[in-house]
Amino acid sequence: SQTIHQWPATLVQPVGSPLSLECTVEGTSNPNLYWYRQAAGRGLQLLFYSVGIGQISSEVPQNLSASRPQDRQFILSSKKLLLSDSGFYLCAWAGLPRPGELFFGEGSRLTVL
Amino acid sequence: DAKTTQPPSMDCAEGRAANLPCNHSTISGNEYVYWYRQIHSQGPQYIIHGLKNNETNEMASLIITEDRKSSTLILPHATLRDTAVYYCMVRGRLTGPHNNDMRFGAGTRLTVKP
Repeated sequence: SQTIHQWPATLVQPVGSPLSLECTVEGTSNPNLYWYRQAAGRGLQLLFYSVGIGQISSEVPQNLSASRPQDRQFILSSKKLLLSDSGFYLCAWAGLPRPGELFFGEGSRLTVL
Repeated sequence: DAKTTQPPSMDCAEGRAANLPCNHSTISGNEYVYWYRQIHSQGPQYIIHGLKNNETNEMASLIITEDRKSSTLILPHATLRDTAVYYCMVRGRLTGPHNNDMRFGAGTRLTVKP
C-alpha cells in the first residue's frame, strides 16, 4: 500500500530563519508530488508540483523553493522566513495505482514569529 | 483560478441528506469531476469521482448532469462528523506533465447541525 509522510508536524520559527519541510512517499514509483499551503481560515493554495526528479514547477512567486532530489522525496525550503509564511503546509502525491486521485500527508503547521 | 464554482457555505440537519452543488461549465470531454473534503486541521480526503455517469460509494453519491456542466455531491444521511469543507475539482484522470491541474477552489463549508 502507498503511504505519505511529512515532517515536522509543528514548528515555530523566527522571522528571517530558514525552513525545511520534508515529504516522502512509499509504495509507488514516479509519482507527481505537490506542496500546498493553507493560511488560517483560507483555502488550499498550490505552491509547487513536480513530475520527476529535479523537475519543479512553481505556481506562485514567493520566497519559498522546492526540490526533488529523489523520486519519492519532496522538500520545501526557505532561506529567510516572512511572517506571511505562517500556515498549514500539505504535501500530496498522485499516480499509480489510482491515477488522478490526490493523497495528502498529515500536514506541517508553521508559525513564524 | 479554479475551474469550478461552489457556494461558500451550507447547513444541513443531522440525519438529512446534504446536497452540495458544483458548477463546472468549462469542463472538457476527458475531464473527470472529483470531490474531496477537509476536516479541520487535516489534509483533504478523497470522496468520489465520475466522468458522466452517476456514481455511488460507501461515502456518497455523485450526480452529474447530462451536459456535464454541473454536479451534485449527496451525503445521504449527514452526521455531525460530516462537518467539513467540501471541494469539487475537475481534471484529467491520468497524471503526467500535462495533467497537473491540481488546484482547488474555495470549496463549500458544510455545517451539520443537531
